[in-house]
Amino acid sequence: DGGITQSPKYLFRKEGQNVTLSCEQNLNHDAMYWYRQDPGQGLRLIYYSQIVNDFQKGDIAEGYSVSREKKESFPLTVTSAQKNPTAFYLCASHPGGTGWGYTFGSGTRLTVV
Amino acid sequence: KNEVEQSPQNLTAQEGEFITINCSYSVGISALHWLQQHPGGGIVSLFMLSSGKKKHGRLIATINIQEKHSSLHITASHPRDSAVYICAVRGTSGGSNYKLTFGKGTLLTVNP
Repeated sequence: DGGITQSPKYLFRKEGQNVTLSCEQNLNHDAMYWYRQDPGQGLRLIYYSQIVNDFQKGDIAEGYSVSREKKESFPLTVTSAQKNPTAFYLCASHPGGTGWGYTFGSGTRLTVV
Repeated sequence: KNEVEQSPQNLTAQEGEFITINCSYSVGISALHWLQQHPGGGIVSLFMLSSGKKKHGRLIATINIQEKHSSLHITASHPRDSAVYICAVRGTSGGSNYKLTFGKGTLLTVNP
C-alpha cells in the first residue's frame, strides 16, 4: 500500500547535536512538507518542496534544513541553531496540480536533552 | 489572530451523543480539510471539502463558503472516536496553493 514512512517514531538527542528525520513516500507525489506540532498550537510549516531539487522555506524554517534529491525522499535536519527543537514533527505529501489528497506520516517525536 | 479558529478546544461526550465541532476561517480558500489525530500522533485525512456536504459512515462535514465556516458532525459517538480533530484550509494564492493552514485542534473524549 502507498503511504509515507517517517522514522524513527521517537528520537532523543543531546543539545548541540544535529539530527536528521527521515520521510519517504511511495505515492509518486510531487509535493512534500514538513510540519512541527507543539502542545496547544496548530501545525506550523517548516519547509516544503513542490519538485525534486527545489524547496522553499515555510513559516518557521530557522534552525532547520532540508534536501530533495529524490522524489520519494524529503529528509529534515534539525540543527543546533534551532532554539527549541523538542517537538512532534510531521511529514506530508500532495500529488501536486489539481490533486486533492494530502497524505500524512505517523510523525517523529524529537526530544533534546 | 489565527487564520483558522476551531471550537470548542475540548469536548467531552457520552457514548451515543451527537457531536459538532466548528471551524471558522478568515482567508479565501480552495479547499478545507478535516483531519483526525490519534494519541500516537499520526494524522488521517477524513474529508476534503470545497462546497456543500460530505458523509462517510457516522461522520458528516459541511462547509458554507460565504460564511467561511465548516462543521464536523459525529453521529452516535463511540469511545473509539476519541481523538484530536483538526481543521485545515488550503489557500488560493498560486505559489502557495498546496500549503495548509491548520487550526489548533479540538480534543474529543467520548466516555462509555
